[in-house]
Amino acid sequence: NAGVMQNPRHLVRRRGQEARLRCSPMKGHSHVYWYRQLPEEGLKFMVYLQKENIIDESGMPKERFSAEFPKEGPSILRIQQVVRGDSAAYFCASSPPREFIYGYTFGSGTRLTVV
Amino acid sequence: TQLLEQSPQFLSIQEGENLTVYCNSSSVFSSLQWYRQEPGEGPVLLVTVVTGGEVKKLKRLTFQFGDARKDSSLHITAAQPGDTGLYLCAGPGGSSNTGKLIFGQGTTLQVKP
Repeated sequence: NAGVMQNPRHLVRRRGQEARLRCSPMKGHSHVYWYRQLPEEGLKFMVYLQKENIIDESGMPKERFSAEFPKEGPSILRIQQVVRGDSAAYFCASSPPREFIYGYTFGSGTRLTVV
Repeated sequence: TQLLEQSPQFLSIQEGENLTVYCNSSSVFSSLQWYRQEPGEGPVLLVTVVTGGEVKKLKRLTFQFGDARKDSSLHITAAQPGDTGLYLCAGPGGSSNTGKLIFGQGTTLQVKP
């Protein structure tokens, strides 16, 4: 039973380019969450998605960031026109329905570096 | 705004010593979770505590949830170098249906051989 799969593990982008981060949840998990971890700042919630629905995007920056979880395929976190401040580790997590209060399963993360 | 504050932020000890990490809030949480994160990896769930006053043991790790469900502690007995890592507490934020977890800032533990 594969865990949460994120790819790529490392991503380097020049300022102004687009970054696409992918996440496949654990088998049987229909809820996906994206978090960002900056040095010295801990894990910050970005967005919570179910298949074809954004449930809570209160942690997403208003511009340049978007997320989707289509009916088929992985969840995608998309950052347009990246800036140096977007450099961070981005983690995806998944849980079964209504069980997030018991904990998530996290992926290994994508480390984005903007040069 | 719900916040979780962890203390200490950094802890460096010798192998064999005992330690306690604290996670405190002014808000009540329906549950609290503890994760351990190693460099370059994602957090791994260690335990979830749900009932006020609950104590859970995981080998040399003992987790406690405060009676008022506002705080939690993690106690490690006879620490080993393999315990080195970032320890994070987390709890459901906002409405219980949002799926959002609030994380503490973390405690970085270094256990020297």
